Amino acid sequence: EADIYQTPRYLVIGTGKKITLECSQTMGHDKMYWYQQDPGMELHLIHYSYGVNSTEKGDLSSESTVSRIRTEHFPLTLESARPSHTSQYLCASSAWVLNEKLFFGSGTQLSVL
Amino acid sequence: GEDVEQSLFLSVREGDSSVINCTYTDSSSTYLYWYKQEPGAGLQLLTYIFSNMDMKQDQRLTVLLNKKDKHLSLRIADTQTGDSAIYFCAESRRGSSNTGKLIFGQGTTLQVKP
Repeated sequence: EADIYQTPRYLVIGTGKKITLECSQTMGHDKMYWYQQDPGMELHLIHYSYGVNSTEKGDLSSESTVSRIRTEHFPLTLESARPSHTSQYLCASSAWVLNEKLFFGSGTQLSVL
Repeated sequence: GEDVEQSLFLSVREGDSSVINCTYTDSSSTYLYWYKQEPGAGLQLLTYIFSNMDMKQDQRLTVLLNKKDKHLSLRIADTQTGDSAIYFCAESRRGSSNTGKLIFGQGTTLQVKP
């Protein structure tokens, strides 16, 4: 079944640790996105990619980095986690069509202590 | 999110209709969307409307678009407790690269009381 997967679902980690949030999709979508969502607030785009070897910064500045070595995989990395990085991170993908229907993963809830 | 505005909370009784409103600012928006987010989950696309349409109906969902006023609404008929969730309005914008990104509102929490 075509889908988009995020792991881990929840992550609690100490300050200064390096973390990678995984995102994979089986729909063959070229476009992938990372959104950050704080409780009770809207989603903010932090990274996006239009295909392999393409990565762009989103509207909200983020200290995280992303890579797109394979079409189906779009991991997000924080080199040194801080409490200010505590948030929900949502990965999404879409096809190259006029109606930008995004398919979202279940999200990773990150807590940095 | 400041370009797409939604009321934060709506409470209705089971069986009533719910109307969630959204205003946006970019007249170049091509598609407008409604997403649903249940607790602890990602967003699920409910429906979308092309900007040259006034209305779209899909079972219990009716989307109304007033392009002149840049106002979008989602009506849920016969609201059920399972409809309790956060509903996000989003618009798709076209930049010079002709690649769109979605701009989301802050979400409306719908509470359905039995």
